[in-house]
Amino acid sequence: ETGVTQTPRHLVMGMTNKKSLKCEQHLGHNAMYWYKQSAKKPLELMFVYNFKEQTENNSVPSRFSPECPNSSHLFLHLHTLQPEDSALYLCASSQDWPDATGTNEKLFFGSGTQLSVL
Amino acid sequence: GQQLNQSPQSMFIQEGEDVSMNCTSSSIFNTWLWYKQDPGEGPVLLIALYKAGELTSNGRLTAQFGITRKDSFLNISASIPSDVGIYFCAGLKTDRGSTLGRLYFGRGTQLTVWP
Repeated sequence: ETGVTQTPRHLVMGMTNKKSLKCEQHLGHNAMYWYKQSAKKPLELMFVYNFKEQTENNSVPSRFSPECPNSSHLFLHLHTLQPEDSALYLCASSQDWPDATGTNEKLFFGSGTQLSVL
Repeated sequence: GQQLNQSPQSMFIQEGEDVSMNCTSSSIFNTWLWYKQDPGEGPVLLIALYKAGELTSNGRLTAQFGITRKDSFLNISASIPSDVGIYFCAGLKTDRGSTLGRLYFGRGTQLTVWP
């Protein structure tokens, strides 16, 4: 138990569906992240929120829409996805955004949502 | 983005054997981290390294921060079946002109342990 909970664990959706992924952290952290994990590729950072403000959007297509209502909850809204969007979507949190001193670098990951787009 | 070259891509070993894997880059990093991902789970932090040359152990795991700050190594001694999983290196560095850090991940080493 890492203190980061993601739901659902598995999701199958058609290209015309709208769905949302949910992440909740119980660690009192201020920074939350969405990562995409595809086979044979490094973890891809999608979005970062620090103190509920979006601080990073790594050129993610608009069919992915994040929402961070407070520092404990993070959502990823999905609509009109493509089959190549099928992947494991991981949520993570850290105390704060990592800085040059090497503090706040420890990410705590959820178990992920395995997404299949048909 | 920064590229971390992690090798080997996969390893098939017998229980009891020692394991070595590494991560290299052309860039200098401030911090190196090693994560393990069990099947169906998210990555879990194993070891964090903060200084060049640092050697840190966590049970049967030992990791080193390379002297050049461009590489890191992870060793697992006397492997057991529960060591199965994907091991990721991650390097933290600051972007040019910024005090904020960014974490870069390797592609992972898939470890299989046969009884």
